[in-house]
Amino acid sequence: SQKIEQNSEALNIQEGKTATLTCNYTNYSPAYLQWYRQDPGRGPVFLLLIRENEKEKRKERLKVTFDTTLKQSLFHITASQPADSATYLCALRRDDKIIFGKGTRLHILP
Amino acid sequence: KAGVTQTPRYLIKTRGQQVTLSCSPISGHRSVSWYQQTPGQGLQFLFEYFSETQRNKGNFPGRFSGRQFSNSRSEMNVSTLELGDSALYLCASSTRQGAGGGANVLTFGAGSRLTVL
Repeated sequence: SQKIEQNSEALNIQEGKTATLTCNYTNYSPAYLQWYRQDPGRGPVFLLLIRENEKEKRKERLKVTFDTTLKQSLFHITASQPADSATYLCALRRDDKIIFGKGTRLHILP
Repeated sequence: KAGVTQTPRYLIKTRGQQVTLSCSPISGHRSVSWYQQTPGQGLQFLFEYFSETQRNKGNFPGRFSGRQFSNSRSEMNVSTLELGDSALYLCASSTRQGAGGGANVLTFGAGSRLTVL
């Protein structure tokens, strides 16, 4: 069955450094992959989408890469700030539904 | 424009009861998806509705059901509640149905936090 794996351990990053989060998937080749941000007590918010024919996508301080050979996406936040602290979820479409990884909690330490 | 609205935000029920949750999508969005979120399992897909028809269903028992109205508003119902049904129930709307070649970006509501005692 389709699996999306994200590092379930919290990631602690010093303010100003680059945070890198990993999303691995198995048993499928999605046409695109998405990243969402979720704050406590709130619903996820869409951040970026990257298609299978795109290697990299950027939006302000965010960058996403997509390696269909490794079946992996990396999500980078450059010049990280305490306000970037949240849970980040990757998602892909499989069998006409969007499925999510369990997310990685990111803590940016001041 | 207004976002996705879910009601109620919080509710407490006891085992055996039933519950109905409501979701009003973004105006113009015809697809509504429901997810259950728990600390152990993360976000689990429940079902998707498009044009009042269930288009997709996740691996949940028949106690979980839903419907969509002609104005795209959706409700989900859980009957005979169990302790394990305690979770954050999230609704998301989009302009696209899950099928089709286009990208399906979800806009989520704040969720309904259900506690079953």
